[in-house]
Amino acid sequence: NAGVTQTPKFRILKIGQSMTLQCAQDMNHNYMYWYRQDPGMGLKLIYYSVGAGITDKGEVPNGYNVSRSTTEDFPLRLELAAPSQTSVYFCASSSPAGGYTFGSGTRLTVV
Amino acid sequence: AQTVTQSQPEMSVQEAETVTLSCTYDTSENNYYLFWYKQPPSRQMILVIRQEAYKQQNATENRFSVNFQKAAKSFSLKISDSQLGDTAMYFCAFMKQNPGQNFVFGPGTRLSVLP
Repeated sequence: NAGVTQTPKFRILKIGQSMTLQCAQDMNHNYMYWYRQDPGMGLKLIYYSVGAGITDKGEVPNGYNVSRSTTEDFPLRLELAAPSQTSVYFCASSSPAGGYTFGSGTRLTVV
Repeated sequence: AQTVTQSQPEMSVQEAETVTLSCTYDTSENNYYLFWYKQPPSRQMILVIRQEAYKQQNATENRFSVNFQKAAKSFSLKISDSQLGDTAMYFCAFMKQNPGQNFVFGPGTRLSVLP
């Protein structure tokens, strides 16, 4: 039972580069989320999705885009990387009953 | 909007002793959930304990228990018989009761268990 799988685990980007953080879950959860965690802080919501084809902004969406073409996958896209996007990114999913599962995180550094 | 406050950025405790981490929150909701998550250096987010706001009884999970004061909007975590493996960041989090809701996290408390 893999749960929530995030790739890559680490990445260094140059300013202005683009990349996609992958997230996949195998629990058939409708709800999926992307959070970012800055050093010494709690997690903040970037985007979330309540089902395939439906996405919505969270607290800190600027500089990011998401898509949800399938129930399993919820990729996060950074189009023009900036140093302010240096952070640890967590994907999560949940069921209607509230069972919440986090991925293991992606550490992104923008230089 | 909901907010979660953890007023203790860092704490330390001797092994086998008891420590209490504080959390307060602000919400106009009547039904919600509260959580404590542990984040060790591996970065994994590990659920420690969960409390439903409609339950008056405080949640307990082995050495971990909470003191939930709904009127005061307080949700403290007590760790008994502290172990070296308890060293981690601890985050208090709030979630509305409706399905598909996201967490609102506090800033965290870094706990060090000393041998």
